[in-house]
Amino acid sequence: SQQGEEDPQALSIQEGENATMNCSYKTSINNLQWYRQNSGRGLVHLILIRSNEREKHSGRLRVTLDTSKKSSSLLITASRAADTASYFCATGANDYKLSFGAGTTVTVRA
Amino acid sequence: EAGVAQSPRYKIIEKRQSVAFWCNPISGHATLYWYQQILGQGPKLLIQFQNNGVVDDSQLPKDRFSAERLKGVDSTLKIQPAKLEDSAVYLCASSPRGRVDEQFFGPGTRLTVL
Repeated sequence: SQQGEEDPQALSIQEGENATMNCSYKTSINNLQWYRQNSGRGLVHLILIRSNEREKHSGRLRVTLDTSKKSSSLLITASRAADTASYFCATGANDYKLSFGAGTTVTVRA
Repeated sequence: EAGVAQSPRYKIIEKRQSVAFWCNPISGHATLYWYQQILGQGPKLLIQFQNNGVVDDSQLPKDRFSAERLKGVDSTLKIQPAKLEDSAVYLCASSPRGRVDEQFFGPGTRLTVL
């Protein structure tokens, strides 16, 4: 079963704008990760945030985690055409298994 | 370093036929995973290996799916016989020893069952 649920399912923005997507989950986690998947390709790991962290940055990516609300958000700043992809959150528990959500499809218009 | 390799990239078969997928993880990665990703959904873990032993296969439909990882390196995933609902992308991933919370994915094999 999939633990994470991303919102929105799809997002269309203009190049240069920011993109924000959210992930909600149901059970306790050890960490939460975000992955990107370009059409027809495998998943690429973007960022991992541990349950005792609240915010993390990596380049143009900013991830927040609110364990009290069981939610996370991924912000992509100054979007580019190359950011067009599907983005998945995945929750990791103490057994190290990852549970993926259904993803948010992001389209960046030139 | 070379990434996770998978073959074939695409496969089309008739229902009730058999099919096999191959994965070569990143060199030195002890943990290997097979995921099934149905169109419009996130990946679902089918089986996890630690070296050549199975750690978790709770979501593997064992009546038709099988997987092995001989010598703790390459792995094959087999479906026999295939059903229409097996149409999906099959992703292989691997993790470094001691860092199982980060997984590196291969490009996947897209299976279409007609």
